[in-house]
This record gives sequence, structure tokens and C-alpha cells, in this order.
Amino acid sequence: ETGVTQTPRHLVMGMTNKKSLKCEQHLGHNAMYWYKQSAKKPLELMFVYNFKEQTENNSVPSRFSPECPNSSHLFLHLHTLQPEDSALYLCASSQENIGEQYFGPGTRLTVT
Amino acid sequence: GQQVMQIPQYQHVQEGEDFTTYCNSSTTLSNIQWYKQRPGGHPVFLIQLVKSGEVKKQKRLTFQFGEAKKNSSLHITATQTTDVGTYFCAGMVRPGDNFNKFYFGSGTKLNVKP
Repeated sequence: ETGVTQTPRHLVMGMTNKKSLKCEQHLGHNAMYWYKQSAKKPLELMFVYNFKEQTENNSVPSRFSPECPNSSHLFLHLHTLQPEDSALYLCASSQENIGEQYFGPGTRLTVT
Repeated sequence: GQQVMQIPQYQHVQEGEDFTTYCNSSTTLSNIQWYKQRPGGHPVFLIQLVKSGEVKKQKRLTFQFGEAKKNSSLHITATQTTDVGTYFCAGMVRPGDNFNKFYFGSGTKLNVKP
């Protein structure tokens, strides 16, 4: 499946680094999502964008900063992360915030 | 706050046995979706239920939406090793504004022994 792509697939970063995760969807959707998946909390919704407007911020720490320049691209900027932020970060898209969500393959993030 | 509870957390079955996972919401849902995530993979959409009391089937999988639209179940008949994975429900709520909210259950991890 190539409808939703994410890069990089794996990322190791130190606590003082700054990095960005990228998500791109080729499905013509206008809602995009960031999720965090870890062993402790299987699927945590972080951010939702509808038509490039952020409509959900689930009490996410400010060290995570989303950006949605257009309805096809979504970024997650990371800075001064903590080891407990290590997880699989999944991007998803859907049509108009309804209907099924299509997930990307995820970025496996390790914070050292 | 709004949440969707899913049980059991884990289920180990012998191949050929049946399997069921249940989701319960504290409030009425607009619809409910089911996803499957294979080990090492990402969640993949299975089905969406919208109507009260709705029942849908996909081969050996049967999905139900409760009459009150607060609970749902996924039943797999005669499991196969290809059914291994984590099954998530996601309930959708339409609050007063225009944007829908999805609440994922914690997932049921199914292991099938050959």
C-alpha cells in the first residue's frame, strides 16, 4: 500500500537533537492525523488537521510541534525529546474527518 | 471523559477455535470502525458500522453494533494463523462543532496456535 507514506521509517535521536517526521498522502483526503503507539498506550491520538486547520491537540507536550502546509503533507517537528517519547509514530488520513482512516507504515523513533 | 473500553487485552486460541473482542463506550457513538494491525505493521481498516443493531459479515468475521450504539463486537469463526494481530475498535462521536472525534480502544491482541 502506498496511499500514505512516512519518512524516515526509523529514527534514533539524542535528547538535544531536532528532527522532523514527514507524512504524505496520495488519496485526495483532507483530514490528517498523528498517533503515538507504544507498549503502554497502544494508540494515542496526538493531532488532527482538517483542511489544514488543526482541530485537535490531545494535551501533547510542546516538544512535539505539528505542521500541515497543505492537505497532502503533514510534519511532526521534534525537539528536546525524552526517552519515554520512544514509540511508533503513525500518520493517517481520511476524507473530511469521517469514514475510514488510512495509516502509513509509521516511524519507529528511539530517543537515547 | 469519553473513552472506549476494549476487552480482552490478549487472547490465545488454538487454530479452529472462535474469537470475540468487545468494545464499550461511555456515550452514544455516531459510528464505530474496526481495524487490524499485524505484528510489525500498521492498522488497516476492516469495516464501519453506522446503524443501531447493525450486523455485517466479512467471510469468517462478524461485526455487530449494539442497539444503543454504545457497544460493538467482532467475532471470528474458526480462527486461522493468518488472523494473528491486534484488533482495534474506534468509536466516532460528533460533538457540537463540525469536527468528529475518534476514540480508539486499547486493542485485543490475538495469537493463534497452529
